[in-house]
Amino acid sequence: GAGVSQSPSNKVTEKGKDVELRCDPISGHTALYWYRQRLGQGLEFLIYFQGNSAPDKSGLPSDRFSAERTGESVSTLTIQRTQQEDSAVYLCASSRGQLDTIYFGEGSWLTVV
Amino acid sequence: GESVGLHLPTLSVQEGDNSIINCAYSNSASDYFIWYKQESGKGPQFIIDIRSNMDKRQGQRVTVLLNKTVKHLSLQIAATQPGDSAVYFCAENSGGTSYGKLTFGQGTILTVHP
Repeated sequence: GAGVSQSPSNKVTEKGKDVELRCDPISGHTALYWYRQRLGQGLEFLIYFQGNSAPDKSGLPSDRFSAERTGESVSTLTIQRTQQEDSAVYLCASSRGQLDTIYFGEGSWLTVV
Repeated sequence: GESVGLHLPTLSVQEGDNSIINCAYSNSASDYFIWYKQESGKGPQFIIDIRSNMDKRQGQRVTVLLNKTVKHLSLQIAATQPGDSAVYFCAENSGGTSYGKLTFGQGTILTVHP
């Protein structure tokens, strides 16, 4: 597709379960970002991938959060032992390079019950 | 600290009026700024960006003004339309080597009345 694609679009999970969120960046974009947005708030940076460089994980809130990226393609964000405070929209974004315009996907809405 | 959604700044305008949305940023070292529009249930949509070597940049119906002296950013929307109703976020680059490591403001709710 032409835009950043995320799945699932909605996920309801029980507290303590692990969840995996997927992001397909725009084709040809080398940079990929994950953000979190809690209800009614701005976006919080989580992690950034650029090519084959080591990812910038400085925004991950705890060691329950991890992310991987296969080459310059798909990325997965994993949240282990989910807690209710993890409920949020998880947004993926990509850009052609690290100094180019960033485009966001529609997000994965996570609800932990 | 962050405000919850109920306390987001709001701006209500009539269709056809010009809108001005303001944003104060925190990091004097930030060199890249973006405005995003977010409609309910959707991801942020890029509107316009500006680099710190510029004071003003114009797009289609939108203008961004940057005042580095007082660390202030504004978005002007000309001839506002009902379809412009959304939450508007300003964002500043805080990551040095990447323009994608952004710090977002809390957002402003724009409501356009027909």
